[in-house]
Amino acid sequence: AQKITQTQPGMFVQEKEAVTLDCTYDTSDPSYGLFWYKQPSSGEMIFLIYQGSYDQQNATEGRYSLNFQKARKSANLVISASQLGDSAMYFCAMRERGYSSASKIIFGSGTRLSIRP
Amino acid sequence: DGGITQSPKYLFRKEGQNVTLSCEQNLNHDAMYWYRQDPGQGLRLIYYSQIVNDFQKGDIAEGYSVSREKKESFPLTVTSAQKNPTAFYLCAATRGSNQPQHFGDGTRLSIL
Repeated sequence: AQKITQTQPGMFVQEKEAVTLDCTYDTSDPSYGLFWYKQPSSGEMIFLIYQGSYDQQNATEGRYSLNFQKARKSANLVISASQLGDSAMYFCAMRERGYSSASKIIFGSGTRLSIRP
Repeated sequence: DGGITQSPKYLFRKEGQNVTLSCEQNLNHDAMYWYRQDPGQGLRLIYYSQIVNDFQKGDIAEGYSVSREKKESFPLTVTSAQKNPTAFYLCAATRGSNQPQHFGDGTRLSIL
């Protein structure tokens, strides 16, 4: 069954340090996609980065990079040079192609990241 | 501006009452989704739809119902069978399988 696991409920990081947020997944579908979203205290969902299961290279978007290890079924988010504005909840999500007309997209339980000045 | 509009922002439900949460999008996206988020928790999938007049149950569909009569609209009804409806409800839409979801601003539902 499709499943996303984020094992770090909360993390504290010093400003300007790099941080890695863990995400592991389970799926039997060879075609899938992995997403990371940021949710500030305001509640909005902000898309950060995407990795497709057939992508050969790890995705990068500015200070965000995705450490994709397919054999281990992990898709960790790396934030370089953290900033105070990075304090938020972070969610990993997975899309399975599926056999119905729609793709099912599920989310992990999230990691609350707090940046210390 | 293109986007997803959820209304109302806050909603109160009385015991035994059905309430409907609105979700409208002008992005022309095919797929739409409803999620429930409890405080400090992740998003759980309630229902999703790829095309008009077609939708699938997510992981927590019991006590909820949806319709997709128009591409731009995907309303969610929280029925009286949902015994613990207090949560933050998020609607999302996506253009394609490798595209991110766009989210509305959410509706906070509480029990009176």
